[in-house]
Amino acid sequence: AQRVTQPEKLLSVFKGAPVELKCNYSYSGSPELFWYVQYSRQRLQLLLRHISRESIKGFTADLNKGETSFHLKKPFAQEEDSAMYYCALSPTGFQKLVFGTGTRLLVSP
Amino acid sequence: GAGVSQSPRYKVTKRGQDVALRCDPISGHVSLYWYRQALGQGPEFLTYFNYEAQQDKSGLPNDRFSAERPEGSISTLTIQRTEQRDSAMYRCASSQITGWRTEAFFGQGTRLTVV
Repeated sequence: AQRVTQPEKLLSVFKGAPVELKCNYSYSGSPELFWYVQYSRQRLQLLLRHISRESIKGFTADLNKGETSFHLKKPFAQEEDSAMYYCALSPTGFQKLVFGTGTRLLVSP
Repeated sequence: GAGVSQSPRYKVTKRGQDVALRCDPISGHVSLYWYRQALGQGPEFLTYFNYEAQQDKSGLPNDRFSAERPEGSISTLTIQRTEQRDSAMYRCASSQITGWRTEAFFGQGTRLTVV
C-alpha cells in the first residue's frame, strides 16, 4: 500500500531562518512525488514535483530513494510562505494522488 | 478561463438527506478527480474520470457515494442518506491530459456538514 508521512503538524520559524518540511513515503515502485500548498483562503495548488527538478518560490525538494524521502527546503523563509503544505505521491500508472496529513508552516517576523 | 469551480461552497444538511456536489472543471480538461478531506487530514482519493468514463472508483467508501460525468465536463458527486461521518471538505480537481504524472488543478472545495 502507498503511504505518505509528514511527521510535523506545525513548523514555526522566524523570517530568514532555513526551513525543512519532512516527507517520507512508502511505496514499492517508483512514484512521482509532489508538494502542494494551500495559502489562507486559497485553493490547493501545486508547488513543485520531483520530475521537474526546479525551484519554485525558493523551495526545492530532492527525492532520496534510499531514504524514501522528499523533504521540502528553503534557505531563507519569508512571511508569505506561511501556509499548509502537503506532500503527495502518484503511484506508477495510477492516476491519483496519495496525500500526507500536511504541515502548517508559520513564519513569524 | 477561470479555474475549477465547485458548488455549493458550503452545504449543511440533515442526517439521512441526499446531497449533490457539483464540479465544473477547467474547460478542455480531460481528467476530473474527487477527493475528500476530513479535519486534520490530507485529501483522500475518491474517484476519477477520463472524459465521461469513470476509470477508478476504488476510493468511494460505500455504495451511498456515487459520481457521474455524463458529457465529459461537469461532474456530480452524490451522497445518499448522509451520515455525520460524511462531514468533510470535498475537493474536485482536473487535469489537461491523462496520465499519472499530470498536474491536477483544484477547486475551492465544498464543505459539507451533516447535522
